[in-house]
Amino acid sequence: DPKIIQKPKYLVAVTGSEKILICEQYLGHNAMYWYRQSAKKPLEFMFSYSYQKLMDNQTASSRFQPQSSKKNHLDLQITALKPDDSATYFCASSQDVGGMDEQYFGPGTRLTVL
Amino acid sequence: GDSVTQTEGLVTLTEGLPVMLNCTYQTIYSNPFLFWYVQHLNESPRLLLKSFTDNKRTEHQGFHATLHKSSSSFHLQKSSAQLSDSALYYCALMGYKLTFGTGTSLLVDP
Repeated sequence: DPKIIQKPKYLVAVTGSEKILICEQYLGHNAMYWYRQSAKKPLEFMFSYSYQKLMDNQTASSRFQPQSSKKNHLDLQITALKPDDSATYFCASSQDVGGMDEQYFGPGTRLTVL
Repeated sequence: GDSVTQTEGLVTLTEGLPVMLNCTYQTIYSNPFLFWYVQHLNESPRLLLKSFTDNKRTEHQGFHATLHKSSSSFHLQKSSAQLSDSALYYCALMGYKLTFGTGTSLLVDP
């Protein structure tokens, strides 16, 4: 059974629209993250959450808003979508933030903005 | 802030030859944690190996790396490349957050 679920797997959106990327982890972890990967840039850290609290935000744009309704959920809302937002978005989790804890990555959501 | 440098964007070599992917880092932390993640085509990244002990060799799945704090390096090595090693390799540093390098694509030819 998959331990980290990301939905949807593929997503096509039009410029200016809004989408929510879903992430749920069933590893019992306390920390969750969002990363972005595109052809232009390698793996890029976006957000980290610990016990549902924002720990770090490396995303310059307020169009990206993480939402945590439960400890094992960390969704990503993206508003006013732009073609440059096209990328694969990975959710990850670890036991806690920092230290030697391994981060486990979900399968990713591939977003294409037309 | 923290940074990780992977100088090679692409490494191409023939099956059976040794592999060495370079990784150097900068951090203010005296006890950083270093990681290598591997990402195969159309898959998500997964941990390959990790270390925080100076001058101690860490091994996993035929790969090995040694953290050298004196040179701020954590190079990834393997004695004999296999076709299945073709993938994207990320070096990462845990200071106050996990910082990834730009990645090195390893392409192993038959």
